[in-house]
Amino acid sequence: AQSVSQHNHHVILSEAASLELGCNYSYGGTVNLFWYVQYPGQHLQLLLKYFSGDPLVKGIKGFEAEFIKSKFSFNLRKPSVQWSDTAEYFCAVNPYNFNKFYFGSGTKLNVKP
Amino acid sequence: EAEVAQSPRYKITEKSQAVAFWCDPISGHATLYWYRQILGQGPELLVQFQDESVVDDSQLPKDRFSAERLKGVDSTLKIQPAELGDSAMYLCASSPMDRAHNEQFFGPGTRLTVL
Repeated sequence: AQSVSQHNHHVILSEAASLELGCNYSYGGTVNLFWYVQYPGQHLQLLLKYFSGDPLVKGIKGFEAEFIKSKFSFNLRKPSVQWSDTAEYFCAVNPYNFNKFYFGSGTKLNVKP
Repeated sequence: EAEVAQSPRYKITEKSQAVAFWCDPISGHATLYWYRQILGQGPELLVQFQDESVVDDSQLPKDRFSAERLKGVDSTLKIQPAELGDSAMYLCASSPMDRAHNEQFFGPGTRLTVL
């Protein structure tokens, strides 16, 4: 079975700090990659997605992610976090040609004002 | 913008009662997914439909859970009888099955509390 690992389960940052959340997956073939955000009490929202092309993907709210194929990684970054970024972040992988999506266990981000 | 619709948004029930959740995917999306998300965890796939057919229900507790998508459009997930451990968020998602640009679209979810 495919697996998606998010090693940071809980991250606490102060406002204006830089953020990097790790995501690694186990599938060896071509993949579509996603980051979702879930604000407290709300549903999953798509932050950004990677299908092909430039491995550096820009999403909403100043987030970006870099796909490094050799490392099977798709890390999420933001140069300067805000208190409003407090949420849970999920990485998801869709192996190309498979109609299945595999989610990581999530990283809870707490930004202190 | 088209959205996945789910109802109800919140459901409180007592254990041993029956509950049902409804999902209407984005028009034209052939694939429909039901996930369960326990607080602090990632979504866990319960059942996946391709049109009206179940393609994966390996994680569905079939002794108490059932799902149908009779006309290949909207879908119902049922739990009977509900147990305390079923308290969770139940998410519905749909995808167009474009292999090169496959993407899931999620509904707002139904938060179930079993007392």
